[in-house]
Amino acid sequence: KNQVEQSPQSLIILEGKNCTLQCNYTVSPFSNLRWYKQDTGRGPVSLTIMTFSENTKSNRRYTATLDADTKQSSLHITASQLSDSASYICVVKTGTYKYIFGTGTRLKVLA
Amino acid sequence: EAGVTQFPSHSVIEKGQTVTLRCDPISGHDNLYWYRRVMGKEIKFLLHFVKESKQDESGMPNNRFLAERTGGTYSTLKVQPAELEDSGVYFCASSRSAGTVSYEQYFGPGTRLTVT
Repeated sequence: KNQVEQSPQSLIILEGKNCTLQCNYTVSPFSNLRWYKQDTGRGPVSLTIMTFSENTKSNRRYTATLDADTKQSSLHITASQLSDSASYICVVKTGTYKYIFGTGTRLKVLA
Repeated sequence: EAGVTQFPSHSVIEKGQTVTLRCDPISGHDNLYWYRRVMGKEIKFLLHFVKESKQDESGMPNNRFLAERTGGTYSTLKVQPAELEDSGVYFCASSRSAGTVSYEQYFGPGTRLTVT
């Protein structure tokens, strides 16, 4: 069964601190893996897209890693800001048009 | 460029009533997707249009759900009659494509449906 699992479910950190979110997947065939940020009341917005051959990709303070052998990905947020408070969703694309979503990690950054 | 828009943003209806959700994709995007997030669960695929044709509707829960995309522009998702378990947030997303390559999905803000 195609599945994407994320951990932790929720996380609270202080402003300025770093954090790492985890994503494990059992999806086949694998096309790519995406991390989305979803603010409350908004739709998900893409942060990074990683293909099978990419190990690391950065987008400003966000760094995503992918280990296609162990089927794990992580999203590292550096020097967190209050505006980083949101849900972060790991999504694996399988085939041309199908997307499998994780349940997300709810991040709260406190001042 | 306008993003994906959805209407209404929130709908509260009674069990047995009918509700129609609307999605306007980004202009020029052939692909349109409907997703649903039930409380506490992950976002799940409902169906996918390529222009006006249903490419994949394997995620539609049952025949109370009817999606249309006449003319290949905006899409509607009708729930009739609504049941309590239909409550959730319905997201629409669109993307452009070229041949067998599909590009980035852009999501709308969602419609929060509450069935009482």
